[in-house]
Amino acid sequence: SQTIHQWPATLVQPVGSPLSLECTVEGTSNPNLYWYRQAAGRGLQLLFYSVGIGQISSEVPQNLSASRPQDRQFILSSKKLLLSDSGFYLCAWNFDRGTEAFFGQGTRLTVV
Amino acid sequence: QKEVEQDPGPLSVPEGAIVSLNCTYSNSAFQYFMWYRQYSRKGPELLMYTYSSGNKEDGRFTAQVDKSSKYISLFIRDSQPSDSATYLCAMGSGGYQKVTFGIGTKLQVIP
Repeated sequence: SQTIHQWPATLVQPVGSPLSLECTVEGTSNPNLYWYRQAAGRGLQLLFYSVGIGQISSEVPQNLSASRPQDRQFILSSKKLLLSDSGFYLCAWNFDRGTEAFFGQGTRLTVV
Repeated sequence: QKEVEQDPGPLSVPEGAIVSLNCTYSNSAFQYFMWYRQYSRKGPELLMYTYSSGNKEDGRFTAQVDKSSKYISLFIRDSQPSDSATYLCAMGSGGYQKVTFGIGTKLQVIP
């Protein structure tokens, strides 16, 4: 069966520091991978998606970037965090972009 | 108008009640309909998935889709305190189109 791992679970970072969140999927090949941010009262915001190695699409221009160095690895990064980057970040995967996706357990990022 | 509308609640019900959660949508291209359950500080968990109008049952949960009215529902029978969570509806049209999520309804089942 497929599983998705996301770490760390919580993170407190100072403003201006770099960020690296990692997500890996096991038990499948060539999945679509996603990064979402979830803010209270605002639902899930799609940040990035990837249909293959090195292929990244950005949904919302911002202070973040994403990379997919391996088939089942997806990384969310920032060179300099802003206070507004605080939130709950979720990684997800699926096979067909328009159908059900499966989520990791999330990373709660607090920028101080 | 948002593509998917969902009442954020909160919704409080006594244990054992039947819960009805609903979403409306405007995009007639949506063909896949999902419900996710999200416990506090956890990732969403896929609860139900359907791609046709009508009902789909799984234990105490029933998902209902009415494409003509652009309306989907999730019913929870004999609700339990462990059902207390946020329920998100989601919809997609397949292919290369992204899934669109509702804002989520927070449910509290009181013992």
